[in-house]
Amino acid sequence: DAGVIQSPRHEVTEMGQEVTLRCKPISGHDYLFWYRQTMMRGLELLIYFNNNVPIDDSGMPEDRFSAKMPNASFSTLKIQPSEPRDSAVYFCASKPGASGGVSSTDTQYFGPGTRLTVL
Amino acid sequence: AQTVTQSQPEMSVQEAETVTLSCTYDTSESDYYLFWYKQPPSRQMILVIRQEAYKQQNATENRFSVNFQKAAKSFSLKISDSQLGDAAMYFCAYINDMRFGAGTRLTVKP
Repeated sequence: DAGVIQSPRHEVTEMGQEVTLRCKPISGHDYLFWYRQTMMRGLELLIYFNNNVPIDDSGMPEDRFSAKMPNASFSTLKIQPSEPRDSAVYFCASKPGASGGVSSTDTQYFGPGTRLTVL
Repeated sequence: AQTVTQSQPEMSVQEAETVTLSCTYDTSESDYYLFWYKQPPSRQMILVIRQEAYKQQNATENRFSVNFQKAAKSFSLKISDSQLGDAAMYFCAYINDMRFGAGTRLTVKP
């Protein structure tokens, strides 16, 4: 398996533009997570899905952020309109769901991240 | 909300020596999972070691081991025989709600 795939790896955009980040989880994994990493706030969970259904979006910073998972092999994180403070590395991760839910010893497999710069 | 605290922003160790990274957490749950992740300059997050709270025995993975003190809510990572490839950011994570500490940057000196 190629692991979790994220695209693009780097994105530079101007304030006010719409940004869409993409993620392909590992095949067969039931959970998908979106994280944001910044120097100031560290690694923060934004939202996670179980079997394509959003379970917890309490980490989504505001209405400008939205995430979808239309099928088991694809998810998007959209920011509209983007702002300079959204500049960060965004990670997608997936994990199996066979051993008891989101809280288990199964590790999350992280993608390489998308570095977003909003000018 | 649970909090995870890594009080050492940076640590340094001599190659072949041992280093311990600290982590404390806050929780009211009795059953939970704690992980240590490594993030090298490549940015890839890599699982180092994991611990189930109901297990009293400390987890060990080759040169990596933890000191899990449930009553003190402490979960430190010990790296023995440090290698240059161990240089990275290390994150402690409380898995029940996917909460991560701020990280400790480990430098390994040759």
